[in-house]
Amino acid sequence: EIVMTQSPATLSVSPGERATLSCGASQSVSEKLAWYQQKPGQAPRLLIYGAFHRATGIPGRFSGSGSGTEFTLTISSLQSEDFAIYYCQQYTNWPLSWTFGPGTRVEI
Amino acid sequence: EVQLVESGGGLVQPGGSLRLSCEASGFTFSTFDMTWVRQAPGKGLEWLSYIDTTVTAIYYADSVKGRFTISRDNTKNSLYLQMNSLRAEDSALYYCVRVSSSYFGSGSFDVWGQGTMVTVTS
Repeated sequence: EIVMTQSPATLSVSPGERATLSCGASQSVSEKLAWYQQKPGQAPRLLIYGAFHRATGIPGRFSGSGSGTEFTLTISSLQSEDFAIYYCQQYTNWPLSWTFGPGTRVEI
Repeated sequence: EVQLVESGGGLVQPGGSLRLSCEASGFTFSTFDMTWVRQAPGKGLEWLSYIDTTVTAIYYADSVKGRFTISRDNTKNSLYLQMNSLRAEDSALYYCVRVSSSYFGSGSFDVWGQGTMVTVTS
């Protein structure tokens, strides 16, 4: 099973600042990596797929990069609505399995 | 509007059973693979099960294999999860999720329901 890690567990930033979130895989997942945003009381929302493709309706301040085992989600200028938990997910073995990282909480 | 609406959650005793349903609308349900994902209170996301459009490919996470059964009825635009032999650790919010079929996004989860809560307790 591919194990996903995320760092930091919590990221404290101010509105307008840049946030950089990291995601690692225990073995190469190529570019089969997605990022999701989850706000309190809401379902997760797809932000990034294929490591760097923005999903429909996602603002340009969100960008993804990386391949293989190391990935990054960057939020260029944090808005108040961006404070949430962010999960990465690998799907290199789909449809046999998918695994999520433990999440990074972005807070003020 | 593309939408997934889950139902069927509730309180159940250990060893009991529950059947979750998910009704899809706003898209051609029969053309999309579907999955179930759960989230225990205050915890992360766990993929549980997958079913393809024609019910020829079905997969489960080890944590639910042999206890949960996924199914779908394309005539009713509905996805189901039959959960048997429930344990306390199955207590979670259960999400019905659509698998993306886009060229680069194929395999990611592009539409999520709001979830239905399952609590297993004596």
